[in-house]
Amino acid sequence: DTGVSQDPRHKITKRGQNVTFRCDPISEHNRLYWYRQTLGQGPEFLTYFQNEAQLEKSRLLSDRFSAERPKGSFSTLEIQRTEQGDSAMYLCASSSPDRAGILYEQYFGPGTRLTVT
Amino acid sequence: AQKVTQAQTEISVVEKEDVTLDCVYETRDTTYYLFWYKQPPSGELVFLIRRNSFDEQNEISGRYSWNFQKSTSSFNFTITASQVVDSAVYFCALSLNSGGYQKVTFGTGTKLQVIP
Repeated sequence: DTGVSQDPRHKITKRGQNVTFRCDPISEHNRLYWYRQTLGQGPEFLTYFQNEAQLEKSRLLSDRFSAERPKGSFSTLEIQRTEQGDSAMYLCASSSPDRAGILYEQYFGPGTRLTVT
Repeated sequence: AQKVTQAQTEISVVEKEDVTLDCVYETRDTTYYLFWYKQPPSGELVFLIRRNSFDEQNEISGRYSWNFQKSTSSFNFTITASQVVDSAVYFCALSLNSGGYQKVTFGTGTKLQVIP
């Protein structure tokens, strides 16, 4: 088990460009989450997938953001027409399915640090 | 609405001192989970502990211990005999089962600096 991986680790882009990030969760985890973290803050929830279905989206996720998990394995997060305010660390996490009502912890990837110039 | 408050923004201690990180949470749900995560300078969040709302037993794992008190809505984390490697940002988080998925709210974190 190699843990949650994210690619790229760093991305610098110019305002107005589109960017796409990838997340590979732990293989047996069917739940996948995207978060955004800005300096001095805790992670903020963006969206959640159970298998390939996107079941929840935060109001933080504007129309310029889209996420997919086409085969229930890896996921991509795309930001269109990036703005300077999009500069942040984008974190992906995965977790096991609930069993007998137990919520399991989320395991986080190393994150993708986005800088919009 | 759920909320997690970590009032201590930064703490500095000298190596081998004990340190307690405070966490106060708010929720109207009776079933919830509390977590602590560590974020070292490398940036990756590392899971430390999970505790459900029905289990108020304190837990000890090596130099780490956690004190969960529902009466005060607190879930504090103590590091005994701190080491330089403990330097990191520590996040407390609250999770509800919202329609079948974990709705997790993180606190703003406490930055711990352990001075050699």
